[in-house]
Amino acid sequence: QKEVEQDPGPLSVPEGAIVSLNCTYSNSAFQYFMWYRQYSRKGPELLMYTYSSGNKEDGRFTAQVDKSSKYISLFIRDSQPSDSATYLCAMTYYPTSGTYKYIFGTGTRLKVLA
Amino acid sequence: GAVVSQHPSRVICKSGTSVKIECRSLDFQATTMFWYRQFPKQSLMLMATSNEGSKATYEQGVEKDKFLINHASLTLSTLTVTSAHPEDSSFYICSARDSGLSSYNEQFFGPGTRLTVL
Repeated sequence: QKEVEQDPGPLSVPEGAIVSLNCTYSNSAFQYFMWYRQYSRKGPELLMYTYSSGNKEDGRFTAQVDKSSKYISLFIRDSQPSDSATYLCAMTYYPTSGTYKYIFGTGTRLKVLA
Repeated sequence: GAVVSQHPSRVICKSGTSVKIECRSLDFQATTMFWYRQFPKQSLMLMATSNEGSKATYEQGVEKDKFLINHASLTLSTLTVTSAHPEDSSFYICSARDSGLSSYNEQFFGPGTRLTVL
């Protein structure tokens, strides 16, 4: 079982739709949760990060963490064609030895249709 | 904001040659940099963690003699793919942690280097 599971998509939605992207994880040691956006042939850019259960908003983006269910989500309101990209979730924790681990999901490809 | 650059952005080489990729943090110091590999439509796979002034830590299954990493300064890490073969063709991305930030989680990613080995 992978430590982090993410549906690769692709996910196609009409412009203006609310998009829901999700990841599940198996390791309860994960402490911080991030969402990255990656455009084709570019490096990922950090969208949001959070460390506690609950919601965090930033403009059209809302990150949600449910530690009891080991489930995180990213919601995009009023989606735009410029939101078309691959969205990767990432999580970190400190193992008992060594440096902290940073685990990425496989990424979900999103296409917002004009 | 924190900027990480990579050079070259794209390289095509013949099988058997070595290729060096540079990763630079432009406006911050990075004691730790990371090297990732990404195949088409797949996620980032961590290859190694590069620490300034010490040996890199490689992930399981990554050949340290094939992927040489040198983190000689607080702003520069290099990845050398030695004796490259077509199966090494991939998108290589580096990231850097800002030594001055209190949050240990944020990594700033470079734009990536696309390597094609003929």
